[in-house]
Amino acid sequence: EVQLLESGGGLVQPGGSLRLSCAASGYTFSSYAMSWVRQAPGKGLEWVSAISTDSTYIFYTHSVKGRFTTSRDNSRNTLYLQMNSLRAEDTALYFCAKGGAAAGYSFDSWGQGILVTVSS
Amino acid sequence: QSALTQPPSASGAPGQSVTISCTGTSSDVGRYNYVSWYQQHPGKAPKLIIYEVTKRPSGVPDRFSGSKSGNTASLTVSGLQAEDEADYYCSSYASDNYYVLFGGGTKLTVL
Repeated sequence: EVQLLESGGGLVQPGGSLRLSCAASGYTFSSYAMSWVRQAPGKGLEWVSAISTDSTYIFYTHSVKGRFTTSRDNSRNTLYLQMNSLRAEDTALYFCAKGGAAAGYSFDSWGQGILVTVSS
Repeated sequence: QSALTQPPSASGAPGQSVTISCTGTSSDVGRYNYVSWYQQHPGKAPKLIIYEVTKRPSGVPDRFSGSKSGNTASLTVSGLQAEDEADYYCSSYASDNYYVLFGGGTKLTVL
């Protein structure tokens, strides 16, 4: 059974930093692209970032480019999202999701989400 | 690139069928057969129910079906059941500049 478990969220002041982690199990992590998707309170889904299997390709939505960095450690089966210069509008539930180009740009497994709150 | 357009709400009685639309542009929905649909119950993570416009992952009932015409994709839920009441989101690949766009979501109510 595929399991994705996010951690590292919390309350941070505007301009601060957080690092999210997503621990994967139940499948061959290194064989699948991964993404981060967020959902602001009471709002819809927003794709944030994607990373290919070997980290060769990394994509970001425009609003986080230059502030967020996605990486993965295939030896630890873990996906990361380093978030810097955080803004109030980054407040959201952050999901890690399995899938990408090879899956028709669909996400077939999701974590339970981790809450990031940016507020003074 | 703007989000894909979905109606905010849809409804139907048990046993009926309901169709939810997802309108994009010739740069996303209209160009690629990479439209997906997700079901999200309150407080839960999204669940993939349709990918590549028409395909269903294993375990998803065949009451859920997808289609596309031009720049608009559609999700049809047939034989509505109480457990189908949820939020539904479409998504589409939109080139490497935008990767994946989501729709704003549709709240499906089973009357």
